[in-house]
Amino acid sequence: EVQMLQSGGGLVQPGGSLRLSCAASGFKFSSYVMSWVRQAPGKGLEWVSAITNSGRNTYYADSVTGRFTISRDNSKNTLYLQMNSLRAEDTAIYYCARDASSGSYYWPYWGQGVLVTVSS
Amino acid sequence: EIVLTQSPGTLCLSPGERATLSCRASQSVNSNYLAWYQQKPGQAPRLLIYAASSRATGIPDRFSGSGSGTDFTLTISRLEPEDFAVYSCQQYSASPTFGQGTKVEMK
Repeated sequence: EVQMLQSGGGLVQPGGSLRLSCAASGFKFSSYVMSWVRQAPGKGLEWVSAITNSGRNTYYADSVTGRFTISRDNSKNTLYLQMNSLRAEDTAIYYCARDASSGSYYWPYWGQGVLVTVSS
Repeated sequence: EIVLTQSPGTLCLSPGERATLSCRASQSVNSNYLAWYQQKPGQAPRLLIYAASSRATGIPDRFSGSGSGTDFTLTISRLEPEDFAVYSCQQYSASPTFGQGTKVEMK
């Protein structure tokens, strides 16, 4: 069974940093593109970032480019999102998500989500 | 960026009725790379449809998707009590974007 267990959310002040983790199991982690998708309170979903199966290539939404860094450790089956220079508008539930097939960019598998709150 | 606009914002229907949800793209979605998700409060999204009309694994056949180019539709043939939720479309022919969602609520 595909499972993705997220951790690392919480309250952070504007300008601060936070790292999210997503521990995957039940599939060959190193074979799949992985993504982060977020949802601000009461708002729609927003794709944030993606990383290829090897980790060689990364992609970002314009809203987070230069502030967020996606990475993965295939030996630990874990995906990360390092978030720096956080702003109030980054407040959201953050989900990790796995492609249906590598590079397909639609998502049948999701983590449980973690809440990131940026507030003073 | 491809902007997806969903309508209506809210759909008030009774169990057993048919639901028709619309998703319009600001430019053509190549290869019909469009997906639909269902989301209930406190839960992660659930993939229903991909490639505009293909049902995801385990999705009941009362859910169907259609459309091409810039106009797409999700149809729920007969609403079950568990179908009342928010539905979002998503394109993946370019950098992924989502619509703002349609809430299907019980009349």
